[in-house]
Amino acid sequence: GENVGLHLPTLSVQEGDNSIINCAYSNSASDYFIWYKQESGKGPQFIIDIRSNMDKRQGQRVTVLLNKTVKHLSLQIAATQPGDSAVYFCADRKAGDTGRRALTFGSGTRLQVQP
Amino acid sequence: NAGVTQTPKFQVLKTGQSMTLQCAQDMNHEYMSWYRQDPGMGLRLIHYSVGAGITDQGEVPNGYNVSRSTTEDFPLRLLSAAPSQTSVYFCASSFGQLSYHEQYFGPGTRLTVT
Repeated sequence: GENVGLHLPTLSVQEGDNSIINCAYSNSASDYFIWYKQESGKGPQFIIDIRSNMDKRQGQRVTVLLNKTVKHLSLQIAATQPGDSAVYFCADRKAGDTGRRALTFGSGTRLQVQP
Repeated sequence: NAGVTQTPKFQVLKTGQSMTLQCAQDMNHEYMSWYRQDPGMGLRLIHYSVGAGITDQGEVPNGYNVSRSTTEDFPLRLLSAAPSQTSVYFCASSFGQLSYHEQYFGPGTRLTVT
């Protein structure tokens, strides 16, 4: 089936450095791609989304890049802080007003911020 | 607002027992969903609802039932618990069908089936 996958299970960065978390997808019919953050013992938290007709979207300290040619999505976190330590999930949703309203999640990348 | 609340936080069941996981939201969200999360894996959708009285199956619906009699509540029922249903269960909600990808998650219920 179609799914969203991640390149690396764990990413370790120094505090203050920039982090880049990557994700590959296979569903060309997705209309939104989304990043969620999950801290230990908590539910996932929405970070940012990007529509499929965009290449880049910026939020507060985060930037998401979408490369539809190679079906690649990335989340960049600027000046990584200890509070950014978490598991990050990418997800996609299928386009269309009808049919299943479902997100497909990747398996996650654990970001570890070293002091 | 309390957001999305789930009860209980922890539960241990014996094989064959039934139980209901409760989920409630006070944000007047149309869309609600249930996911399970197994170790080292992402979230898998069990069931979802786009409004009161409307439910649909997700990726892994077998062994679970849902109903949506009110906008606020979306309980998940395990009919006959099996060890394979040991997992962490998350309920989520979002404002509407158009923005269902922006979901607010509850704190989760950790279920162990022995």
